[in-house]
Amino acid sequence: IAGITQAPTSQILAAGRRMTLRCTQDMRHNAMYWYRQDLGLGLRLIHYSNTAGTTGKGEVPDGYSVSRANTDDFPLTLASAVPSQTSVYFCASSDSLDSYNEQFFGPGTRLTVL
Amino acid sequence: GQNIDQPTEMTATEGAIVQINCTYQTSGFNGLFWYQQHAGEAPTFLSYNVLDGLEEKGRFSSFLSRSKGYSYLLLKELQMKDSASYLCACMDSNYQLIWGAGTKLIIKP
Repeated sequence: IAGITQAPTSQILAAGRRMTLRCTQDMRHNAMYWYRQDLGLGLRLIHYSNTAGTTGKGEVPDGYSVSRANTDDFPLTLASAVPSQTSVYFCASSDSLDSYNEQFFGPGTRLTVL
Repeated sequence: GQNIDQPTEMTATEGAIVQINCTYQTSGFNGLFWYQQHAGEAPTFLSYNVLDGLEEKGRFSSFLSRSKGYSYLLLKELQMKDSASYLCACMDSNYQLIWGAGTKLIIKP
């Protein structure tokens, strides 16, 4: 089934721990994105990649890193988690960064940092 | 700064029509998107406008006025399954989406 998968579905993490959120798409999309969604706020872009091998910073990149070794996978790493990183994280992809391309979203990862 | 404004919550009756407004201020403009998000689920694409005017897709229509920095999503013949949050997002000059906080639409029988 074509789409985007994310893992884990949810996670409770102690502050200071390292965590990698996984994202895989099988639509051969060039562009991929990581967002966080917090109550009362719009989705905020953390990092993006417009093609394998390249990444860019979004609106709220601090404390997060990404890599894009191939087209399908776009993991997000929290090097040392803090409670303010408690959020729902969505991975998304689109054919390209061009304006008319809709973004397809994964089911999300609910992360709680204690 | 960049800003997207939309109402926090709206209530409507099954079978009726509802209009959800969105105003925006962004650095550059490369189109406006509407997404639907049911509680606990991922956002899904509804519409895209880049030129002024109305785009119709079945029961849903989206309107854009670039000169006014304004858009609306019109939902007709409301069904209970339309109960969801509706997210307005603008693509800025860097092709990044700037998102509103979403409008929670409650449909009553």
